[in-house]
Amino acid sequence: GAVVSQHPSRVICKSGTSVKIECRSLDFQATTMFWYRQFPKQSLMLMATSNEGSKATYEQGVEKDKFLINHASLTLSTLTVTSAHPEDSSFYICSATRVAEAFFGQGTRLTVV
Amino acid sequence: GENVEQHPSTLSVQEGDSAVIKCTYSDSASNYFPWYKQELGKRPQLIIDIRSNVGEKKDQRIAVTLNKTAKHFSLHITETQPEDSAVYFCAAEDSSYKLIFGSGTRLLVRP
Repeated sequence: GAVVSQHPSRVICKSGTSVKIECRSLDFQATTMFWYRQFPKQSLMLMATSNEGSKATYEQGVEKDKFLINHASLTLSTLTVTSAHPEDSSFYICSATRVAEAFFGQGTRLTVV
Repeated sequence: GENVEQHPSTLSVQEGDSAVIKCTYSDSASNYFPWYKQELGKRPQLIIDIRSNVGEKKDQRIAVTLNKTAKHFSLHITETQPEDSAVYFCAAEDSSYKLIFGSGTRLLVRP
């Protein structure tokens, strides 16, 4: 199947700093990627749709100024958590769709201390 | 928008028994329904999926059924094994390829 790579897999940052997470489609081009957040023992919640060459669309309740999404190429989307706080600690995971099937990155465990 | 509900939240079965997980969705325009298995700290893995033009699909011990009229779909695992223990998520995909996930079912298969 298609490969989606996410980096880093784990990151610990201090409160108030920003963290960038990368999501790459390695063997296909993805005009659209999706970002999810998953809190412990909970489901994956869609945060936003990343659109290549245009602005991301955010789900209700997700702060676009806090979660900056950039999709500058057909193989790379980045999510930047700005001014991170402990409540932003979560598992962030991206996905890209190829031939109508979603492929997920490995996920990023963010811990804000 | 789409809303997906999943039941039960936890399910414990004896090895060899069957397990059934059920989901309902709200958006009649949704046409793709995948099921994922997720182990702790890892990405979801697609185990089976079904599209709206099909009522049932089977892959070895795993089957999925879809009732479009009632807007519900179910995952059936037969002859369960301890390695089937994981969290399972259903999802519904709308026309913009957004996946909306159910709340998850923690399956425990007791040896």
